[in-house]
Amino acid sequence: AQKITQTQPGMFVQEKEAVTLDCTYDTSDQSYGLFWYKQPSSGEMIFLIYQGSYDEQNATEGRYSLNFQKARKSANLVISASQLGDSAMYFCAMREGIYGDSSYKLIFGSGTRLLVRP
Amino acid sequence: GAVVSQHPSWVICKSGTSVKIECRSLDFQATTMFWYRQFPKQSLMLMATSNEGSKATYEQGVEKDKFLINHASLTLSTLTVTSAHPEDSSFYICSARELGKARYSNQPQHFGDGTRLSIL
Repeated sequence: AQKITQTQPGMFVQEKEAVTLDCTYDTSDQSYGLFWYKQPSSGEMIFLIYQGSYDEQNATEGRYSLNFQKARKSANLVISASQLGDSAMYFCAMREGIYGDSSYKLIFGSGTRLLVRP
Repeated sequence: GAVVSQHPSWVICKSGTSVKIECRSLDFQATTMFWYRQFPKQSLMLMATSNEGSKATYEQGVEKDKFLINHASLTLSTLTVTSAHPEDSSFYICSARELGKARYSNQPQHFGDGTRLSIL
């Protein structure tokens, strides 16, 4: 069964510094997708970045980059130049399977609460 | 684009009341919608997957008679919490899969803003 593990319940980072949020996953599928979402206190889920299992390059989206290490089954999120508005919950998620509607189901990790200090 | 509207955003009601939550895709057609539940400081847990015109598929441990899901059109799915009790208080969030979107799309789901349900 697919599983997502986020081992950091909470993280602090100084404003303008970089921070890495850890995510490891477990799947027997060869084809899968990995996602990071940000959830501010207001509750909405904000898509940040995506990495496909066959992507050779690490994904980047502005200040967000994904450190994808397939052999280690890790997909860590790196946020550069942290801003106060980055304070939120961050969830790692995986899309399971490739066939049928189940291929669109997302499995979420337990989340990491990031607090950016001024 | 790809906006999902969820209504209401916040509801407080008495124990025993049934509460309906709507999830609408505003600018795209959604063949599949997902309903999640999130307890405070916890992760999103998938409750059910609903496909337009067919019965919803519930995850293990979710009472289908308690959480009624209807997906009558390509733009609307509803979750009804029947005879709600305080233990049903939670944050409910829906998401929608866009019809025709590539299977390997980097955004398989578009999320609504969630509904905070408090049962007194």
